This record gives sequence, C-alpha cells and structure tokens, in this order.
Amino acid sequence: QITLKESGPTLVKPTQTLTLTCTFSGFSLSTSGVGVGWIRQPPGKALEWLALIYWDDDKRYSPSLKSRLTITKDTSKNQVVLTMTNMDPVDTATYYCAHRPHRTLNRVFDYWGQGTLVTVSS
Amino acid sequence: DIQMTQSPSSLSASVGDRVTITCRASQSIDIYLNWYQQKPGRAPNLLISTASSLQSGVPSRFSGSGSGTDFTLTISSLQPEDFATYYCQQSYSTPGTFGQGTKVEIK
Repeated sequence: QITLKESGPTLVKPTQTLTLTCTFSGFSLSTSGVGVGWIRQPPGKALEWLALIYWDDDKRYSPSLKSRLTITKDTSKNQVVLTMTNMDPVDTATYYCAHRPHRTLNRVFDYWGQGTLVTVSS
Repeated sequence: DIQMTQSPSSLSASVGDRVTITCRASQSIDIYLNWYQQKPGRAPNLLISTASSLQSGVPSRFSGSGSGTDFTLTISSLQPEDFATYYCQQSYSTPGTFGQGTKVEIK
C-alpha cells in the first residue's frame, strides 16, 4: 500500500525559505522509472505543478518557479524534500506530494499525500 | 508551458443527469491527458489516464475521450458522490499543467 505524507512549517514569513518533506512508504525511489512530484493549490484555486524527481535523480521544475525551487531525494529514508526560496504571500497554498508510477509508461499522479497548508504572512 | 482550458468552469446538474466536461490543450498532447476528481478538503483522486483509461476502482459511469488538443470527461448518470471539482492535466511535457477546474454542483 502506497502512502505519502507532507511535513513542514505551517507558517513562514515573507522572504524566508520553505522546506517541505514528503515521507513515503509502499514503494522505493530506487525502482526504475518511479518519481515523486510536488503540486500546490492556493485556497479556492486550481492545482499547480511544481517539481518532480525520478529514481535516477532526473529533476524537473516548473519554468516559472525554477529559480526558486530545489527538489532532492533521500532514498534510504524514503523522503523527498522541496525547498522554495523567497516566499511571498501569493505562495500561500496547500502543498501536496504525489507518486508517479513511471517517467514515460505511466505519466500520472496515482497516490497523493493529504497535503499541508502553508501560510505566508509576517 | 502548455495551457489547459476547461469548460465550463462550473455547472449545476441533478442526480441522474449526463454531464460532459471539456478540456482543451494549447498544443497537441497526443493522448497524454489525465482527469482527477477533488472533493473539498481532500487530495485529488485519479480517475482516468491517457485520455480514456479508467483507473481501477473508478465507477464505469465515468469515461474519457479525445486526442490531440480536445478531450472530454463524461459522467453518464450523475450520482450524489460525484459532486466535486474535476481537473484535467496534461502529462505530455514538463510542467504537467492542470486545467482551472470544473465544479459540479447540485441543481
């Protein structure tokens, strides 16, 4: 059974750096093709794709946020970490991590974490 | 980025109605189109992948079609548990952009 769970601060100040951790079970990020992605959703708004990391450390970023994002993995801990610099109130959102079964053969997010709400405010 | 446009943004329907939601891509995405259902306070749930492949456990009243730039999600007979927001997502290229969502409400 695949599960994912996001953790990190619920409140950050403007200009600070956000660090979120996705801890997962039921799969390994050393399995060929597998990936973990991050998606966010501002309150009452649509989903926004942020970043994705694959088993072979291939990393993909949203071009509009690439300069602010870093995604890393710790295979031994079954964790993926997303950092976002220079946080602004418009970055207030629920942040989700999700499982991608395969880079090319199954291009979906089939399991999602519960999400974590991050508020940016001074 | 590939832009995904859904229509309508919201709709009101009754139980038993046939509902169709449209998603249009700004360029061809072949069949790399997924549909998700999201209920308030919950994470999205994958319904359909590659335009028409129903995920395991998803009721057969849900179906998807299309290729290239135009896609549809159809609910053949709306049930009370189907009132939710539906998102399309392209997985043809990075970033895997989502549509703006279609909220299906009770009439």
